[in-house]
Parts: sequence; structure tokens; C-alpha cells
Amino acid sequence: AQSVTQPDIHITVSEGASLELRCNYSYGATPYLFWYVQSPGQGLQLLLKYFSGDTLVQGIKGFEAEFKRSQSSFNLRKPSVHWSDAAEYFCAGMDSSYKLIFGSGTRLLVRP
Amino acid sequence: NAGVMQNPRHLVRRRGQEARLRCSPMKGHSHVYWYRQLPEEGLKFMVYLQKENIIDESGMPKERFSAEFPKEGPSILRIQQVVRGDSAAYFCASTPGVSGIPYEQYFGPGTRLTVT
Repeated sequence: AQSVTQPDIHITVSEGASLELRCNYSYGATPYLFWYVQSPGQGLQLLLKYFSGDTLVQGIKGFEAEFKRSQSSFNLRKPSVHWSDAAEYFCAGMDSSYKLIFGSGTRLLVRP
Repeated sequence: NAGVMQNPRHLVRRRGQEARLRCSPMKGHSHVYWYRQLPEEGLKFMVYLQKENIIDESGMPKERFSAEFPKEGPSILRIQQVVRGDSAAYFCASTPGVSGIPYEQYFGPGTRLTVT
């Protein structure tokens, strides 16, 4: 069965530090992969997506993600975190019927 | 261009009552997905609809839950005889939905259902 795993439930970083959020997927074919961000009490905003092509994907708000087939990973990165980045981050894969399968999320806390 | 609209944003129901959640997709989008987010969990797929047609309802509980997307008007997720375990945030997402092409899904703000 297709699945998406986010191994880290919480991550705390200092403002200005770099960030990497992990995501592993289990898919047979070329996956379609996404990162979404959810602020408290809000809906989900798409940060970036990978469909095919260049394995390094640029997104909004200075985020990027790298697709690594050999590691079945699609980790999200940001070189310098801002306090406003504190939120919950969801990795998701799209299955063959185009529905999203979400990871359980990683809550990012930013220290001043 | 307005985004995906959901209403109400918050809904309180007593056990045994009915809950109706509405979703208006983005302009030009004809496909709608419903997801449920239980407290402290990720989103779980419930149902995928296009106008007047249910494409995939594999995530819907077998009883008390139903969904529709009529030719005119919003998509409706209906929960009959609600129980405490139905308390969750329900999100709707929409896509243009051209067959055979994957699209990113645009999410609404969600409806937070509380069953007392």
C-alpha cells in the first residue's frame, strides 16, 4: 500500500538556523509529491510539488525540496528559518486515483 | 479569483443531530475532494467527486456519511446522527479535474465540527 511517513513529530530550531523536515514515501511508480503548511486553525497551503523532471524543487516562502528516488525521500529544506515559519508541515503523495495520502505531520517550533 | 470556500467554519452539534458541511470549489474547478483531520493527526481522504458523480468513496465510513456534488451549487458532506468521534476538521479541496492529469489540490479553510 502507498504510504507517506514523516518520522519527526516535533522539530525546534532557532530563528535564522537552517531547517530540514524529513519525508519518506512508499510508491511503486514515479510518485507525485507535495509539501503543505498549516498554520493553527487554518487550511493547508501548498509550498511546492514534484511531478517529474528536476529533482530539486523550489517553492514559495524560500522553501525547497529534493526528490531522492534511491532513498525514497522528499525532504523539505529552508536555509534560514523565520519566526513566521512556525506551523505544521505535511508531506503528501498522490496515488493512482489522484487522491492525496498525507504523512502525520511535523510541528515546527521556532526559538527566538 | 476566490479560493475554495467552506461553510460554516465552525459547527457545533449535539449527539444524534445531523451535520451539513458545504464546499464551493475554485472557479473553473469541477472536481472536489473531502478530507478529515482528527485532532493531532494528518488528513485522511474521504471522498472524491465530480459534478453529479462520485468517483471514489473508499475513505467514507460505511454508515451515516454521504457526499454529493450537484450540477448547481456547492458540494455537501452530510453526517447523520453525529457521535463524539465525528469531532474533527473537515477540509475540502478542488482541482480542474481533467481526466488522467494530476493536479495540485487547493484547500479550503476547513469546517471544524464539534459534537457535544
